[in-house]
Amino acid sequence: AQTVTQSQPEMSVQEAETVTLSCTYDTSESDYYLFWYKQPPSRQMILVIRQEAYKQQNATENRFSVNFQKAAKSFSLKISDSQLGDAAMYFCAYGGRRGGADGLTFGKGTHLIIQP
Amino acid sequence: GAVVSQHPSRVICKSGTSVKIECRSLDFQATTMFWYRQFPKQSLMLMATSNEGSKATYEQGVEKDKFLINHASLTLSTLTVTSAHPEDSSFYICSARGSHGGNEQFFGPGTRLTVL
Repeated sequence: AQTVTQSQPEMSVQEAETVTLSCTYDTSESDYYLFWYKQPPSRQMILVIRQEAYKQQNATENRFSVNFQKAAKSFSLKISDSQLGDAAMYFCAYGGRRGGADGLTFGKGTHLIIQP
Repeated sequence: GAVVSQHPSRVICKSGTSVKIECRSLDFQATTMFWYRQFPKQSLMLMATSNEGSKATYEQGVEKDKFLINHASLTLSTLTVTSAHPEDSSFYICSARGSHGGNEQFFGPGTRLTVL
C-alpha cells in the first residue's frame, strides 16, 4: 500500500516570502501521479499542481513549483511571493496509474499561515 | 469546466435514520467517482470507488452495508449512510474522474453530516 507523509503540521511565512512544504511517499510502483491540493476554510479541494512520475521535469504553475525527487520519493511544494489568499491546508496526494481507477492517498496536511 | 456538485451541503439527522448524499458531475461524464471521509482537522480517507453500472469497491475497514453507494449514471453517484449513529458524523467529499485520463480528480464541495 502507498503512504504519504507530510512532516510539517504547520508552517508560517511572511507575505511575499517563499515557503516550501515537504512531502515524502512510499510506493512500489514505477508509474504514478503526485498532487498538491489546497483546502481553504470553505473545505473545497483545489488542485494546485500535478506531477507525472515518468516526467523528469518539475511541474510549475505560476507561483507554485515542485521539487520532485523520484529516487528519494520526495515531492515538495514551493510557493513563491506568498499571498494572503494562499493561507489554507495543503495536502500532498498520491495517485496510482491503474487507468485512473485508484482513489488518492493523502498526507495528513500542512496548515499554511501567511503573516501580513 | 469540470464542476462537481454535492447535495445537501449539510444535513442533521437523528440516530437510526438513513441519509442520502448526491454527487453530480455537471459538465462532464464521470467514469469513476470516489467517496472520501474527512474528520475535523484530519486528512481525507478514501472510503470507496464506484464505476458507473457496477458495484462499488470499498476500502478495508469500511462497512459496505452501512455506506451504500450507487453509481446509476455517468453523472450521478449517491452515498447512503444507513442507520446513522453519532460516530458517522463527519465531512463527506466526493470526487469524479472523467474519461480524459491523467488521474486528475475533481472534487465536490463536501457534505457535513451531523447525527444527533
